[in-house]
Amino acid sequence: DIVMTQSPAALSVSPGERATLSCRASQSVSSNLAWYQQKPGQAPRLLIYDSSTRATGIPARFSGSGSGTEFTLTISSLQSEDFAVYYCQQYNNWPFFGPGTKVDIK
Amino acid sequence: EVQLVESGGGLVQPGRSLRLSCAASGFTFDDYAMHWVRQAPGKGLEWVSGISWNSRSIGYADSVKGRFTISRDNAKNSLYLQMNSLRPEDTAFYYCAKGIGPLANYFDYWGQGTLVTVSS
Repeated sequence: DIVMTQSPAALSVSPGERATLSCRASQSVSSNLAWYQQKPGQAPRLLIYDSSTRATGIPARFSGSGSGTEFTLTISSLQSEDFAVYYCQQYNNWPFFGPGTKVDIK
Repeated sequence: EVQLVESGGGLVQPGRSLRLSCAASGFTFDDYAMHWVRQAPGKGLEWVSGISWNSRSIGYADSVKGRFTISRDNAKNSLYLQMNSLRPEDTAFYYCAKGIGPLANYFDYWGQGTLVTVSS
């Protein structure tokens, strides 16, 4: 099975600052990588798929990059509604999630 | 509007069975793969099982293989998860999730989840 890791586990950021989240796969997943946002008490929301394509309705401040085994989610200017947990997920075959990165207010 | 509504969760003793259902609406159900994803309280997301639009492609996480069975009824716009030989570590919120295409293994809509608690 492909193992996904994410770093850091937690990130403290001030509103308006940039946040950079990393995701690594234990073997190549090509560009078959998605990012989700989850807020407390809510279901996850798809942000990015195919490594860099924003899902419908996702603001342009969210961007994804990478291929193979190394991926990045960047939030260019954090808004109050962006404080949440972010998961990466590979779907090169059956899906596997990373452990998540919690982004909280500094 | 896409809606996914899970049901069937509850408290169950170890070793017993439970069947989850997901009622889908707002899209052409038989055009899309469907999945179950779970989340233990306070923990991360774990994919459980997925099924293609025509049920010909089915997959399971190693943690549930041989104990859980996924199925769908396209005529009823419904997804199911039969869970047998339940263990305390199966305790989690179970989410129904819609694939972005007929074979897709990533998810554009999720239900609100149903809680399964396995305890004596």
